[in-house]
Amino acid sequence: AQTVTQSQPEMSVQEAETVTLSCTYDTSESDYYLFWYKQPPSRQMILVIRQEAYKQQNATENRFSVNFQKAAKSFSLKISDSQLGDAAMYFCAYRSGLNYGGATNKLIFGTGTLLAVQP
Amino acid sequence: EAQVTQNPRYLITVTGKKLTVTCSQNMNHEYMSWYRQDPGLGLRQIYYSMNVEVTDKGDVPEGYKVSRKEKRNFPLILESPSPNQTSLYFCASSTDRASSPWTDTQYFGPGTRLTVL
Repeated sequence: AQTVTQSQPEMSVQEAETVTLSCTYDTSESDYYLFWYKQPPSRQMILVIRQEAYKQQNATENRFSVNFQKAAKSFSLKISDSQLGDAAMYFCAYRSGLNYGGATNKLIFGTGTLLAVQP
Repeated sequence: EAQVTQNPRYLITVTGKKLTVTCSQNMNHEYMSWYRQDPGLGLRQIYYSMNVEVTDKGDVPEGYKVSRKEKRNFPLILESPSPNQTSLYFCASSTDRASSPWTDTQYFGPGTRLTVL
């Protein structure tokens, strides 16, 4: 079974600085998708960035980028120029590339990292 | 506007009193699922449905039931709630992998905070 591990329960960053959130995963599959979700105090789940395992290029979305190391099964999120609005719980998630049954669209989540942004 | 709605958003109930949390999506998605979020555990899938009348257990199905009589609706039923079901619940929907075009985007509802006393 696949697992996702976020070893940093809490992180803190100064406004305008850069912070990196860690995520590791375990799988025997070669085809899969990885995601970072943001959950602000409103509790809404917001997709931040996605990465397809078959793509070697790291995904980037504005101030958010990932460092995807497939061999090491690592998927870290880097937030540049941190803003007060970035304060939230961040979840790393895995989705199988298999196309059958319940594996089709199921997300496996890590335990989350609570990010505080200091002004 | 594409969205997933859940009702109620907040609910406080007592042990053993049956309740239903509704979920509805307006995107004609085939796939719908329920997750629960608990501190230190992240989100875990409770049940999922791949289409009308097709449902199956996720990772933590004990104490829950679901039904999928219409494509847009996927209610979560707690027949006899217990305090260990106090949690934050999310409904999510997405297109089936076999659909064309397929997108891996999952749409989440706003969450339902349930407290069972």
